[in-house]
Amino acid sequence: EAAVTQSPRNKVTVTGGNVTLSCRQTNSHNYMYWYRQDTGHGLRLIHYSYGAGNLQIGDVPDGYKATRTTQEDFFLLLELASPSQTSLYFCASSGTGGAYAEQFFGPGTRLTVL
Amino acid sequence: QQKVQQSPESLSVPEGGMASLNCTSSDRNFQYFWWYRQHSGEGPKALMSIFSDGDKKEGRFTAHLNKASLHVSLHIRDSQPSDSALYFCAASEPSGTYQRFGTGTKLQVVP
Repeated sequence: EAAVTQSPRNKVTVTGGNVTLSCRQTNSHNYMYWYRQDTGHGLRLIHYSYGAGNLQIGDVPDGYKATRTTQEDFFLLLELASPSQTSLYFCASSGTGGAYAEQFFGPGTRLTVL
Repeated sequence: QQKVQQSPESLSVPEGGMASLNCTSSDRNFQYFWWYRQHSGEGPKALMSIFSDGDKKEGRFTAHLNKASLHVSLHIRDSQPSDSALYFCAASEPSGTYQRFGTGTKLQVVP
């Protein structure tokens, strides 16, 4: 089964702080995604990528940057964290089918911004 | 605006009973659907996809798609306590690059 790992699993920062969330997949998938999960909103897409160096904007990109450094690694950057970014963040990957393929999710990172 | 809407928000069924979850797309371009399940403390995992009109059965799970109404449902027969989870419907974006998720239905199966 496809493996997606995320780090850290938990993170606490202060308002205005810098945070980097990391994601690695070891299945040579083209597509990688960053979501946030909040009660009442489900999963909302922040950024996604379909290959190293590629970056696409999702539905809720404000306040977030992302970078895909390799086929395996996708990072989410919060440069001036705000309390509204307190959330559960998931990374996912999928193969060449993109939107028509199964997405494999990591275990999530819980971020708290004080 | 939520383009993929799920109902009910929460659902409680007895062990051995039938659970029925609903999902509707408000955008006619989103016609291909996935169902995912998320147990507490884990990431979502895909259950099944449905891309054609009609029923698709996988074990105790049956999905039904009506493209004319953009409505998809998931039926779980003989529900087990292990089925207690958050269920997401996701619709595939027409360009083929991402899926749009609904808000989820929380299912509780009571022993």
